Amino acid sequence: KAGVTQTPRYLIKTRGQQVTLSCSPISGHRSVSWYQQTPGQGLQFLFEYFSETQRNKGNFPGRFSGRQFSNSRSEMNVSTLELGDSALYLCASSREQGDTQYFGPGTRLTVL
Amino acid sequence: GEDVEQSLFLSVREGDSSVINCTYTDSSSTYLYWYKQEPGAGLQLLTYIFSNMDMKQDQRLTVLLNKKDKHLSLRIADTQTGDSAIYFCAEYAGNNRKLIWGLGTSLGVNP
Repeated sequence: KAGVTQTPRYLIKTRGQQVTLSCSPISGHRSVSWYQQTPGQGLQFLFEYFSETQRNKGNFPGRFSGRQFSNSRSEMNVSTLELGDSALYLCASSREQGDTQYFGPGTRLTVL
Repeated sequence: GEDVEQSLFLSVREGDSSVINCTYTDSSSTYLYWYKQEPGAGLQLLTYIFSNMDMKQDQRLTVLLNKKDKHLSLRIADTQTGDSAIYFCAEYAGNNRKLIWGLGTSLGVNP
């Protein structure tokens, strides 16, 4: 079974731009969670989607948004990028909400 | 509130055992997890333990859970240089239905 895939793997943007990251979960998994990882803050939970609905949300500003499609694929969007948004963005999928999470390789976003 | 704490660094010699410790606060935790992250990579699920278990062994990995003290440990036997990575402890907080993460323990293995 293929694992969680994330595209793109690397991204360079400038301040003020917006970005969309994509995540394809493991086949049969219906829940997708997103995390931001930075050296200083560790792993920070962004949001979780299940059956196309946001079920849980972390403490991030409204510039961070996401959605999930009927095939369980998910995207997250960050608008008006700031330097502090530079991070590794990780996506994890699970069969159901609350089940064991399996991670993708991440998207490394650099904001200049 | 919910919190998971881990020591930030651990250094061992190749061939020795490594013990990585974690404490958590949520008494409603159902599952506790250990993940491994190598440089530049995502998180790899190593093992997990259900909260009604005391111990789980999987090849070189042994997980011990002391529910009374809310203490979780991961023992890696015969540690190899390939085990050098960051190890994350996480608890599933049933009340809020989300994973609570520690900051990770960076394991260095000296030849």
